[in-house]
Amino acid sequence: EVQLVESGGGVVRPGESLRLSCAASGFTFDDYAMSWVRQVPGKGLEWVSGINWNGGSLGYADSVKGRFTISRDNAKNSLYLQMNSLRAEDTALYYCARGPVGSRSFYYFYYMDVWGRGTTVTVSS
Amino acid sequence: DIQMTQSPSSLSASIGDRVTITCRASQGISNYLAWYQQKPGKVPKLLIYAASTLQSGVPSRFSGSGSGTDFTLTISSLQPEDVATYYCQKYNSAPLTFGGGTKVEIK
Repeated sequence: EVQLVESGGGVVRPGESLRLSCAASGFTFDDYAMSWVRQVPGKGLEWVSGINWNGGSLGYADSVKGRFTISRDNAKNSLYLQMNSLRAEDTALYYCARGPVGSRSFYYFYYMDVWGRGTTVTVSS
Repeated sequence: DIQMTQSPSSLSASIGDRVTITCRASQGISNYLAWYQQKPGKVPKLLIYAASTLQSGVPSRFSGSGSGTDFTLTISSLQPEDVATYYCQKYNSAPLTFGGGTKVEIK
């Protein structure tokens, strides 16, 4: 079964850091681009960051650029999001999502055909 | 950055009705447009990609059309299980912007 399982969420104070992880199983992880997408409860979806199959190409939303870092370890079938200088507006449910078949390319911008269930990040003083 | 605007933000329709949701890009994105369905409390689900290609397993009552800046998602005959919020997303380039969502309810 194709599966993405996020972990690492929690409650932190403004200015603190958190590292999210996404464990992939049921497919060949390094054949796919990956993304992080977040959702404030009751609000819409916001793409946060994306990475191509080998980490050679990646990008960020303006709202997190310079504070968040996406990475992957294909040997561990894992995707990560290092979040520094967290702000109250980063409070959200963070989803890990997979690009489609054929997304093993230079690019990371694809639609997402498999999503994890998400991990919750709360930034509050 | 390219903005994605969905309309309406919500709608109420009867079972069996034809429902149309629109998504407009502030600049042309060719056909690099996906649609997702998110039921209450659930994870987003891919419905359509490349503007009009139905994802495997998605009921044929869902269809997509458009190219350039104007796109539509159509539900040909609304069913109770279609109650959800629908999002468009562009993926021609970063950032991979989502539309604001359209909440579909049963009248």
